[in-house]
Amino acid sequence: QSALTQPASVSASPGQSITISCTGTSSDIGTYNFVSWYQKHPGKAPQLIIYEVTNRPSGVSRRFSGSKSGNTASLTISGLLTEDEADYHCSSYTNSDFPVFGGGTKVTVL
Amino acid sequence: QVQLQESGPGLVKPSETLSLTCSVSGGSISRYDWGWIRQPPGKGLQFIGHIFSNGTTNYNPSLNSRGTISVDSANNQISLRLTSMTAADTAIYYCARGLVWSGYYYWGRGTLVTVSS
Repeated sequence: QSALTQPASVSASPGQSITISCTGTSSDIGTYNFVSWYQKHPGKAPQLIIYEVTNRPSGVSRRFSGSKSGNTASLTISGLLTEDEADYHCSSYTNSDFPVFGGGTKVTVL
Repeated sequence: QVQLQESGPGLVKPSETLSLTCSVSGGSISRYDWGWIRQPPGKGLQFIGHIFSNGTTNYNPSLNSRGTISVDSANNQISLRLTSMTAADTAIYYCARGLVWSGYYYWGRGTLVTVSS
């Protein structure tokens, strides 16, 4: 199962919005509404910020939103804050009965 | 407050077997599903395997049956055993609690494992 494709980096100024894409295939994103997103700060544990494409776990800011169209999922961060500077990883369940992850996207707040 | 802490040898020689432990506090582990995920240097996350609360396991086929995950309920620990280690297995190894299809909610901070002679 190939990894999902994410841009290596995205940058924007505080207050702006960014969207991170995550492209898979009909074997994963295209078939399953089991896309999740993780935020990872250096030296810290990954944090689940979106699950099942659009859902936010309790305590996660509403500035984070997820969507999906065809084989591509997206994470949008609105009102960018300096604390949002981190790596973001997407994941999707697959028809091989295990999840596959993307390569990660480094978000830089200018 | 659920907390997970991975522990292991740090350095493993090629062809040896890696044994990692994930110590869990803040809840009984037998009621939940658990996964192991790793991140090689400069690369994305990679699913290693998962153990369901009923003891059923599934593993990433790319590991070629080298992995074994088990639960020690008495000590509230989850273990990962990975045989025939190579340099390609060098990574930060994470344990996590969650649903294999929906996502992992609780994670440890990870432990770096380097494979080198």
